[in-house]
Amino acid sequence: QKEVEQDPGPLSVPEGAIVSLNCTYSNSAFQYFMWYRQYSRKGPELLMYTYSSGNKEDGRFTAQVDKSSKYISLFIRDSQPSDSATYLCAMSPNTGNQFYFGTGTSLTVIP
Amino acid sequence: EAGVAQSPRYKIIEKRQSVAFWCNPISGHATLYWYQQILGQGPKLLIQFQNNGVVDDSQLPKDRFSAERLKGVDSTLKIQPAKLEDSAVYLCASRYRSRTQGAKFYEQYFGPGTRLTVT
Repeated sequence: QKEVEQDPGPLSVPEGAIVSLNCTYSNSAFQYFMWYRQYSRKGPELLMYTYSSGNKEDGRFTAQVDKSSKYISLFIRDSQPSDSATYLCAMSPNTGNQFYFGTGTSLTVIP
Repeated sequence: EAGVAQSPRYKIIEKRQSVAFWCNPISGHATLYWYQQILGQGPKLLIQFQNNGVVDDSQLPKDRFSAERLKGVDSTLKIQPAKLEDSAVYLCASRYRSRTQGAKFYEQYFGPGTRLTVT
């Protein structure tokens, strides 16, 4: 079993839709939960991170962590064509350890 | 602030040849990572440096891969000899490391990667 599971998609939505991206994990030691966005032929860039359980909102993006279910989500409201990218979830037991990445979900927002 | 620099951006080699990648991290970042990202997969850590010392190289195929970070700044990753399954994007990332203990989060900043094709 992989440490982090993520549906690779692809996911295609119309502009303005609400997008839900999800990951599950097996390691209960994970405390830091990150979402990265990766445009084609670019390196990943951090969108948001959450420590332990709970929600975090940043503009059109909301990250949720449910440690009891080992399940994290990223919601994108009012999706835009510029949101078209691959979204990677990543997790770590602490700030110094390596990050464990999901496979990434490819998202296309159609104008 | 300049980002993480990597070169070359693209490389095509034949199997059994050797190749080297270079990374220049963000100034002041003591921690440096090399990741391998195979098409359709997430990045997988190959090696982590703290200054010029290796912190974690448990997933580095040491029979063919080597990495060094002389003087704790730039780093090179080498593959010798290359195999077909080494075709991937090699990402370098760097991270600031606080001298004090604590749970403050410091993100990893990624370079654009080197796309390697082994034929």
